[in-house]
Amino acid sequence: NAGVTQTPKFQVLKTGQSMTLQCAQDMNHEYMSWYRQDPGMGLRLIHYSVGAGITDQGEVPNGYNVSRSTTEDFPLRLLSAAPSQTSVYFCASSAMLGQGANYGYTFGSGTRLTVV
Amino acid sequence: LAKTTQPISMDSYEGQEVNITCSHNNIATNDYITWYQQFPSQGPRFIIQGYKTKVTNEVASLFIPADRKSSTLSLPRVSLSDTAVYYCLVPIYNQGGKLIFGQGTELSVKP
Repeated sequence: NAGVTQTPKFQVLKTGQSMTLQCAQDMNHEYMSWYRQDPGMGLRLIHYSVGAGITDQGEVPNGYNVSRSTTEDFPLRLLSAAPSQTSVYFCASSAMLGQGANYGYTFGSGTRLTVV
Repeated sequence: LAKTTQPISMDSYEGQEVNITCSHNNIATNDYITWYQQFPSQGPRFIIQGYKTKVTNEVASLFIPADRKSSTLSLPRVSLSDTAVYYCLVPIYNQGGKLIFGQGTELSVKP
Protein backbone atom coordinates (compact mmCIF):
# COMPACT_ATOMS: atom_id res chain seq x y z
CA ASN A 1 0.00 0.00 0.00
CA ALA A 2 1.26 3.45 -0.90
CA GLY A 3 -0.81 5.22 1.79
CA VAL A 4 -1.47 8.88 0.99
CA THR A 5 0.29 10.21 -2.10
CA GLN A 6 0.63 13.92 -2.78
CA THR A 7 1.86 15.50 -5.97
CA PRO A 8 3.76 17.61 -6.70
CA LYS A 9 6.24 17.75 -3.81
CA PHE A 10 7.38 21.27 -4.71
CA GLN A 11 5.74 24.03 -6.74
CA VAL A 12 6.45 27.69 -7.46
CA LEU A 13 3.57 29.78 -8.76
CA LYS A 14 3.24 33.35 -9.85
CA THR A 15 0.58 35.51 -8.26
CA GLY A 16 -2.73 34.98 -10.01
CA GLN A 17 -1.95 31.55 -11.40
CA SER A 18 -4.14 28.60 -10.61
CA MET A 19 -3.16 25.02 -9.94
CA THR A 20 -4.37 21.76 -8.49
CA LEU A 21 -2.64 19.85 -5.71
CA GLN A 22 -3.30 16.15 -6.07
CA CYS A 23 -3.99 13.72 -3.25
CA ALA A 24 -4.73 10.02 -3.57
CA GLN A 25 -5.12 7.25 -0.99
CA ASP A 26 -5.34 3.50 -1.49
CA MET A 27 -6.68 2.51 1.94
CA ASN A 28 -10.39 2.87 1.09
CA HIS A 29 -10.70 5.61 3.69
CA GLU A 30 -13.92 7.60 3.82
CA TYR A 31 -12.45 10.70 5.44
CA MET A 32 -10.00 12.95 3.63
CA SER A 33 -8.72 16.39 4.59
CA TRP A 34 -6.43 19.17 3.45
CA TYR A 35 -4.28 21.19 5.84
CA ARG A 36 -1.83 24.00 5.45
CA GLN A 37 1.12 24.63 7.73
CA ASP A 38 2.95 27.92 7.68
CA PRO A 39 6.55 28.08 8.96
CA GLY A 40 6.72 27.58 12.72
CA MET A 41 2.95 27.26 12.98
CA GLY A 42 0.43 24.53 13.57
CA LEU A 43 -1.79 22.82 11.01
CA ARG A 44 -4.95 24.54 9.85
CA LEU A 45 -7.81 22.66 8.23
CA ILE A 46 -8.75 23.96 4.77
CA HIS A 47 -11.44 21.55 3.55
CA TYR A 48 -12.49 18.05 4.41
CA SER A 49 -14.65 15.27 3.02
CA VAL A 50 -16.56 12.47 4.71
CA GLY A 51 -17.09 10.49 1.53
CA ALA A 52 -17.37 10.68 -2.25
CA GLY A 53 -19.53 13.61 -3.27
CA ILE A 54 -19.46 15.24 0.19
CA THR A 55 -17.15 18.10 1.12
CA ASP A 56 -17.20 20.84 3.74
CA GLN A 57 -15.19 23.86 4.77
CA GLY A 58 -12.59 23.84 7.48
CA GLU A 59 -10.95 26.72 9.31
CA VAL A 60 -9.35 28.52 6.34
CA PRO A 61 -11.27 27.67 3.13
CA ASN A 62 -11.05 30.99 1.28
CA GLY A 63 -9.14 30.81 -1.98
CA TYR A 64 -9.39 27.03 -2.24
CA ASN A 65 -11.85 24.63 -3.86
CA VAL A 66 -12.17 20.88 -3.47
CA SER A 67 -14.19 18.07 -4.97
CA ARG A 68 -14.47 14.37 -4.16
CA SER A 69 -15.67 12.42 -7.15
CA THR A 70 -14.10 9.14 -5.99
CA THR A 71 -13.18 7.64 -2.63
CA GLU A 72 -9.51 7.61 -3.60
CA ASP A 73 -8.91 11.16 -4.81
CA PHE A 74 -9.31 14.56 -3.13
CA PRO A 75 -7.71 17.35 -5.21
CA LEU A 76 -7.24 20.87 -3.84
CA ARG A 77 -7.55 23.75 -6.31
CA LEU A 78 -6.00 27.15 -5.82
CA LEU A 79 -8.15 29.52 -7.82
CA SER A 80 -5.86 32.56 -8.04
CA ALA A 81 -2.63 32.11 -6.11
CA ALA A 82 -1.54 34.80 -3.66
CA PRO A 83 1.71 35.15 -1.69
CA SER A 84 -0.30 34.51 1.50
CA GLN A 85 -0.89 30.98 0.24
CA THR A 86 2.81 30.16 0.44
CA SER A 87 2.82 27.19 2.78
CA VAL A 88 3.24 23.46 3.11
CA TYR A 89 0.06 21.59 2.25
CA PHE A 90 -0.73 18.22 3.76
CA CYS A 91 -3.43 15.79 2.73
CA ALA A 92 -4.70 13.20 5.20
CA SER A 93 -7.14 10.31 5.26
CA SER A 94 -8.84 8.16 7.87
CA ALA A 95 -11.31 5.37 8.23
CA MET A 96 -14.77 6.45 9.29
CA LEU A 97 -15.19 6.80 13.05
CA GLY A 98 -16.91 3.78 14.48
CA GLN A 99 -16.00 1.49 11.60
CA GLY A 100 -12.62 0.43 12.80
CA ALA A 101 -10.45 0.30 15.86
CA ASN A 102 -7.96 2.81 14.48
CA TYR A 103 -9.13 6.38 14.33
CA GLY A 104 -5.79 7.73 13.29
CA TYR A 105 -5.27 9.88 10.24
CA THR A 106 -2.55 9.02 7.74
CA PHE A 107 -0.79 12.05 6.31
CA GLY A 108 0.96 12.51 3.02
CA SER A 109 4.49 13.88 2.77
CA GLY A 110 3.30 17.34 1.80
CA THR A 111 3.49 19.82 -1.07
CA ARG A 112 5.73 22.82 -0.56
CA LEU A 113 4.16 25.74 -2.40
CA THR A 114 5.76 29.13 -2.96
CA VAL A 115 3.79 31.96 -4.54
CA VAL A 116 5.89 34.83 -5.86
CA LEU B 1 -16.22 20.46 20.47
CA ALA B 2 -13.66 18.78 22.73
CA LYS B 3 -11.03 21.50 22.95
CA THR B 4 -7.64 20.30 24.12
CA THR B 5 -5.00 22.09 26.15
CA GLN B 6 -1.38 20.97 26.44
CA PRO B 7 1.95 22.64 27.33
CA ILE B 8 3.56 24.62 24.56
CA SER B 9 7.02 23.20 25.12
CA MET B 10 8.99 20.71 27.21
CA ASP B 11 12.66 19.92 27.60
CA SER B 12 14.17 16.57 28.48
CA TYR B 13 17.43 14.66 28.37
CA GLU B 14 18.25 11.44 26.64
CA GLY B 15 17.23 8.36 28.60
CA GLN B 16 14.57 10.11 30.66
CA GLU B 17 10.86 9.31 30.64
CA VAL B 18 8.73 12.14 29.30
CA ASN B 19 5.10 12.64 30.23
CA ILE B 20 2.97 15.11 28.27
CA THR B 21 -0.45 15.82 29.74
CA CYS B 22 -3.42 17.04 27.75
CA SER B 23 -6.70 18.30 29.17
CA HIS B 24 -9.99 17.79 27.35
CA ASN B 25 -12.61 18.77 29.88
CA ASN B 26 -15.66 18.51 27.61
CA ILE B 27 -14.88 15.19 25.97
CA ALA B 28 -18.05 13.36 24.89
CA THR B 29 -19.00 9.80 25.71
CA ASN B 30 -18.13 8.38 22.28
CA ASP B 31 -14.92 10.36 21.76
CA TYR B 32 -11.51 8.72 21.56
CA ILE B 33 -8.25 10.46 22.42
CA THR B 34 -5.52 10.42 19.81
CA TRP B 35 -1.91 11.60 19.77
CA TYR B 36 0.26 12.55 16.82
CA GLN B 37 3.97 13.19 16.39
CA GLN B 38 5.40 15.62 13.83
CA PHE B 39 9.05 15.95 12.87
CA PRO B 40 10.26 19.05 11.03
CA SER B 41 9.39 19.06 7.33
CA GLN B 42 7.17 15.98 7.67
CA GLY B 43 3.46 15.36 8.03
CA PRO B 44 2.09 14.34 11.43
CA ARG B 45 2.21 10.66 12.31
CA PHE B 46 -0.53 9.00 14.34
CA ILE B 47 1.12 7.27 17.29
CA ILE B 48 -1.53 6.14 19.75
CA GLN B 49 -5.21 6.29 20.64
CA GLY B 50 -7.21 5.37 23.71
CA TYR B 51 -10.64 5.49 25.29
CA LYS B 52 -9.96 4.77 28.94
CA THR B 53 -7.34 3.34 31.35
CA LYS B 54 -4.00 2.52 29.75
CA VAL B 55 -2.89 1.75 26.22
CA THR B 56 0.64 0.78 25.25
CA ASN B 57 2.28 0.20 21.90
CA GLU B 58 5.83 0.08 20.58
CA VAL B 59 6.12 3.87 20.57
CA ALA B 60 4.38 5.15 23.70
CA SER B 61 1.89 4.61 26.49
CA LEU B 62 -1.30 6.55 27.01
CA PHE B 63 -2.85 6.93 30.44
CA ILE B 64 -6.47 8.05 30.74
CA PRO B 65 -8.12 8.52 34.16
CA ALA B 66 -11.65 7.38 34.87
CA ASP B 67 -13.21 10.81 34.26
CA ARG B 68 -11.43 11.01 30.85
CA LYS B 69 -10.98 14.78 31.22
CA SER B 70 -7.26 14.47 30.66
CA SER B 71 -4.74 12.07 29.19
CA THR B 72 -0.99 11.62 29.53
CA LEU B 73 1.31 10.51 26.75
CA SER B 74 4.35 8.74 28.16
CA LEU B 75 7.54 8.30 26.14
CA PRO B 76 9.95 5.90 27.85
CA ARG B 77 13.68 6.59 27.70
CA VAL B 78 13.61 9.31 25.07
CA SER B 79 16.40 9.79 22.55
CA LEU B 80 17.41 12.75 20.41
CA SER B 81 15.21 11.37 17.63
CA ASP B 82 12.10 11.91 19.78
CA THR B 83 12.53 15.67 19.40
CA ALA B 84 9.28 16.64 17.70
CA VAL B 85 5.94 18.34 18.18
CA TYR B 86 3.29 16.18 19.86
CA TYR B 87 -0.40 16.87 19.31
CA CYS B 88 -3.30 15.67 21.43
CA LEU B 89 -6.58 15.53 19.53
CA VAL B 90 -10.08 14.34 20.22
CA PRO B 91 -11.85 13.54 16.93
CA ILE B 92 -15.47 14.59 17.12
CA TYR B 93 -17.53 11.43 16.84
CA ASN B 94 -20.61 13.09 15.37
CA GLN B 95 -18.63 15.48 13.15
CA GLY B 96 -16.68 12.90 11.32
CA GLY B 97 -13.70 14.10 9.32
CA LYS B 98 -13.32 17.49 10.95
CA LEU B 99 -10.02 17.11 12.77
CA ILE B 100 -8.76 20.39 14.20
CA PHE B 101 -5.17 20.61 15.43
CA GLY B 102 -4.15 22.72 18.39
CA GLN B 103 -0.72 24.18 18.98
CA GLY B 104 0.88 20.95 20.20
CA THR B 105 3.78 20.44 22.59
CA GLU B 106 7.26 21.00 21.23
CA LEU B 107 9.51 18.44 22.90
CA SER B 108 13.22 19.08 22.85
CA VAL B 109 15.49 16.19 23.88
CA LYS B 110 19.04 17.16 24.77
CA PRO B 111 22.16 14.99 25.04
